[in-house]
Amino acid sequence: GNSVTQMEGPVTLSEEAFLTINCTYTATGYPSLFWYVQYPGEGLQLLLKATKADDKGSNKGFEATYRKETTSFHLEKGSVQVSDSAVYFCALRPGQGGADGLTFGKGTHLIIQP
Amino acid sequence: GAGVSQTPSNKVTEKGKYVELRCDPISGHTALYWYRQSLGQGPEFLIYFQGTGAADDSGLPNDRFFAVRPEGSVSTLKIQRTERGDSAVYLCASSLLVGQSNEQFFGPGTRLTVL
Repeated sequence: GNSVTQMEGPVTLSEEAFLTINCTYTATGYPSLFWYVQYPGEGLQLLLKATKADDKGSNKGFEATYRKETTSFHLEKGSVQVSDSAVYFCALRPGQGGADGLTFGKGTHLIIQP
Repeated sequence: GAGVSQTPSNKVTEKGKYVELRCDPISGHTALYWYRQSLGQGPEFLIYFQGTGAADDSGLPNDRFFAVRPEGSVSTLKIQRTERGDSAVYLCASSLLVGQSNEQFFGPGTRLTVL
């Protein structure tokens, strides 16, 4: 079946540090890949997405590249801010028929210290 | 409304009771999804509707769980004979079309606590 594995948290960084949150997936066919973010007290929001191999999704300074050869979709940001503190979820949607529901990883809690 | 709304925001019930959770999707969105998020975990897919019909209910854990969407808009997730293990945040999402790059918009969730 489909699955998503992301690095365990919490991840604690200082402001302006470089961020990487690893995400790898298992899926048949060609899934679409997503990063969702949940800020404290708020609902899940789509951060970025990529629908095919080598696509790069980007938003709010965050980037992730769909790597089919390594089945990965790592999230990066060059200089994090305190306001980036949140829980980040990597997710996939299957590429071929069947369920259109998303498969999520367990989430990575990111804490940015001033 | 502007986004997906869910009611109630919190529900506390006793083991064995019946509960209903409501989701009001974004107007015009044809697809509606239910997920369950346990503490410290990512959301887990339960069921999705395309219009009035359940297109995939493979994520429902057992026959105590049932969901309806009779008019293709509001949906109700129904849980019979609740168990303590049903305690979780139940999330609803909607999207305009079912497809590869379609975005799902999530509601704030209903926190269910079964005592």
